[in-house]
Amino acid sequence: ETGVTQTPRHLVMGMTNKKSLKCEQHLGHNAMYWYKQSAKKPLELMFVYSLEERVENNSVPSRFSPECPNSSHLFLHLHTLQPEDSALYLCASSQRKQGRAEKLFFGSGTQLSVL
Amino acid sequence: GEDVEQSLFLSVREGDSSVINCTYTDSSSTYLYWYKQEPGAGLQLLTYIFSNMDMKQDQRLTVLLNKKDKHLSLRIADTQTGDSAIYFCAESEGAAGNKLTFGGGTRVLVKP
Repeated sequence: ETGVTQTPRHLVMGMTNKKSLKCEQHLGHNAMYWYKQSAKKPLELMFVYSLEERVENNSVPSRFSPECPNSSHLFLHLHTLQPEDSALYLCASSQRKQGRAEKLFFGSGTQLSVL
Repeated sequence: GEDVEQSLFLSVREGDSSVINCTYTDSSSTYLYWYKQEPGAGLQLLTYIFSNMDMKQDQRLTVLLNKKDKHLSLRIADTQTGDSAIYFCAESEGAAGNKLTFGGGTRVLVKP
């Protein structure tokens, strides 16, 4: 148990569906992240929420929409996805401090399959 | 941009030492990390090293850093079957917002 909980663990959706991934951290951290893990690519940072600031990877398509209502909860809203979006989506949190090591705590991930 | 490279696969016998290697390109890296991912789980931070160090030991784990060659290694002593996992090397530059760049991961298989 890492203190970062993701739901659901598995999700199968059609290309016209709308779904949301949820992440909750119980560690009192001040930053939360979404990462995408595909079979043949390095781990890809999608979004960072830190101290109410959102930082995003400009290559992430607009069909992925993050929401961070407070420092403990993070969502990833999905709509009109493509089959190539099938991957493991990992949430992480950390206690960010400039100049210090970036120690990420990861959830177990949501395995997403887009049909 | 930053690039972190690892070999894809390592096979080792139980009880032997494992050495996982990583190279990186960002000369301004401040911290370097090793994460472990077991099947069906997220990544777990194993250890990290500050760039002004060349070695760090933590129980069965030894991290070696050659900053001149931009080479990082993780040695696991007395490798056990529970060490079978994917190991990710990562680097960050502390002054630039702590963004992590991960390698592609090395799958380690421990044979009995």
